[in-house]
Amino acid sequence: SAVISQKPSRDICQRGTSLTIQCQVDSQVTMMFWYRQQPGQSLTLIATANQGSEATYESGFVIDKFPISRPNLTFSTLTVSNLSPEDSSIYLCSVTGTGDYEQYFGPGTRLTVT
Amino acid sequence: QKEVEQNSGPLSVPEGAIASLNCTYSDRGSQSFFWYRQYSGKSPELIMSIYSNGDKEDGRFTAQLNKASQYVSLLIRDSQPSDSATYLCAVNQRGNNRLAFGKGNQVVVIP
Repeated sequence: SAVISQKPSRDICQRGTSLTIQCQVDSQVTMMFWYRQQPGQSLTLIATANQGSEATYESGFVIDKFPISRPNLTFSTLTVSNLSPEDSSIYLCSVTGTGDYEQYFGPGTRLTVT
Repeated sequence: QKEVEQNSGPLSVPEGAIASLNCTYSDRGSQSFFWYRQYSGKSPELIMSIYSNGDKEDGRFTAQLNKASQYVSLLIRDSQPSDSATYLCAVNQRGNNRLAFGKGNQVVVIP
């Protein structure tokens, strides 16, 4: 499976600021996804990052709050804007593998908003 | 009804025993099913995928799928302390590439 890295691994941010998270894959992948995992909870899909077009957002997530870029087949960014303490979560990117609909996850970014 | 349900609470099993985890899903047209293991503070790791009815074995892990009853299960044989983790069931939604995740089951293997 592909090797996935995320930057930063963790950050502490002030309320009202923004954080941009990078996801880098060591090979070209068709699909990239961004998830949020709140403390003690399961994974919630934020959006599918589409190469060359606007991301596809899940219900409850909007582009103004979570802008996503995907300039090529190996890289994507997720920005969490206008941070509030409720945004404190782990943010994960994932990519599809060779099997039908398999997804592999990056190491995650732990965000704490103060 | 939630898309993917894992209702069991934390599961404590003695070392060497079998751990059994269950998952039900709502979309009868779902085609692909996955089990992820997540250690505390780490990201989910894919451990099993299953696409057709029946059993699929990989080492000490066995996934079981019953599409008619809309459930998928995971058996961990000869449980080891290193199996202590949260196990997440994920189901591919028909017609798109997204995965829906259950809330997970924590497994604690007691030496």
